[in-house]
Amino acid sequence: NAGVTQTPKFRVLKTGQSMTLLCAQDMNHEYMYWYRQDPGMGLRLIHYSVGEGTTAKGEVPDGYNVSRLKKQNFLLGLESAAPSQTSVYFCASSPYSGGAETQYFGPGTRLLVL
Amino acid sequence: AQSVSQHNHHVILSEAASLELGCNYSYGGTVNLFWYVQYPGQHLQLLLKYFSGDPLVKGIKGFEAEFIKSKFSFNLRKPSVQWSDTAEYFCAVNGFNAGNNRKLIWGLGTSLAVNP
Repeated sequence: NAGVTQTPKFRVLKTGQSMTLLCAQDMNHEYMYWYRQDPGMGLRLIHYSVGEGTTAKGEVPDGYNVSRLKKQNFLLGLESAAPSQTSVYFCASSPYSGGAETQYFGPGTRLLVL
Repeated sequence: AQSVSQHNHHVILSEAASLELGCNYSYGGTVNLFWYVQYPGQHLQLLLKYFSGDPLVKGIKGFEAEFIKSKFSFNLRKPSVQWSDTAEYFCAVNGFNAGNNRKLIWGLGTSLAVNP
């Protein structure tokens, strides 16, 4: 049982390049989330999904797109990377259990945009 | 709008000192409350949570938190910290609205450094 995994762990991009971050969970969770973590700003929700085939915007969705074609996977795409997107990206998942769900986090992806 | 406020951004303690990290939220309805911890170089993990019942909840590694509804607070405590408690601590709130929102609202985090 791997929990939540993220690929890649670290990436360097040039401004304008695109990339996709992959999140996978093997806990059969309904909900999945993408966050970014920046110093002094805590965790900010980018996009989330409440089930296979669904996505919704979080606090800071601009410049990102997501897809949830399979229940276990949640992809985060950057179409044209900008230096402001340099951050640590965390994926999380949670089950549906009435509201007190714990979110389970992946190890993070460090992205540097030059 | 819902918000979560963590009063201390940086805390430095010596081993064996007592710890209390403040967390206040703004939401008038039913809430679930969480404390997550992020050890250096690791991912976030749940420390403890409150959703109903006894307002004093106990978590892993000797941590506890008390939900005081009248004060909209959920402060984290530990009577005697260890060097291994050095980490970043995040308070989060899940408030229910008409859309049955399941998003967590996060505080900005408190960085705790424990000197040996």
